[in-house]
Amino acid sequence: ETGVTQTPRHLVMGMTNKKSLKCEQHLGHNAMYWYKQSAKKPLELMFVYSLEERVENNSVPSRFSPECPNSSHLFLHLHTLQPEDSALYLCASSQAKGGKLFFGSGTQLSVL
Amino acid sequence: SQQGEEDPQALSIQEGENATMNCSYKTSINNLQWYRQNSGRGLVHLILIRSNEREKHSGRLRVTLDTSKKSSSLLITASRAADTASYFCALGFTGGGNKLTFGTGTQLKVEL
Repeated sequence: ETGVTQTPRHLVMGMTNKKSLKCEQHLGHNAMYWYKQSAKKPLELMFVYSLEERVENNSVPSRFSPECPNSSHLFLHLHTLQPEDSALYLCASSQAKGGKLFFGSGTQLSVL
Repeated sequence: SQQGEEDPQALSIQEGENATMNCSYKTSINNLQWYRQNSGRGLVHLILIRSNEREKHSGRLRVTLDTSKKSSSLLITASRAADTASYFCALGFTGGGNKLTFGTGTQLKVEL
């Protein structure tokens, strides 16, 4: 148990569905992240939320929409996804800039 | 490219043997971190080494960093079947804020 909880663990959705991924951290950290992990590719940083900034990877399509209502919760809203969006979506948190990341177990997403 | 490249991509050894994985990179870094990932799960932080450090130890793990060669190695001594996992290096940059970049990983298999 890393202190970062992601739900759901698995999600199957059609291309016209709208769903949300949820992440919660119980570590008192002040930064949270969404990463995408596809087979044979490096982890891709999608979004970062911290006290100082929100960072977006400009290559992430607008069909992914993050929301961070407070320092403990992070959401990834999904709509009109494509089959190539099927991947493992990992949430992480950290205390300090450039410090070590604590990851959740991920949501395995399949888009049909 | 700002991501590290792990070598080899896959490694298979017998239990009790040592496993060595390498990470090379091209830009200046602030720190380098190693993570482990069991299949389909989140990543777990192993060791962080700063750019002004040359070697760190944690249990059976030994990490070295050579900034002149822009490379790092992770040594796992007396490997166990439970060490079977993918291992990733992650790069932290000065002025990079909260962003870490990951490579594609080394898949280690430890056989009984």
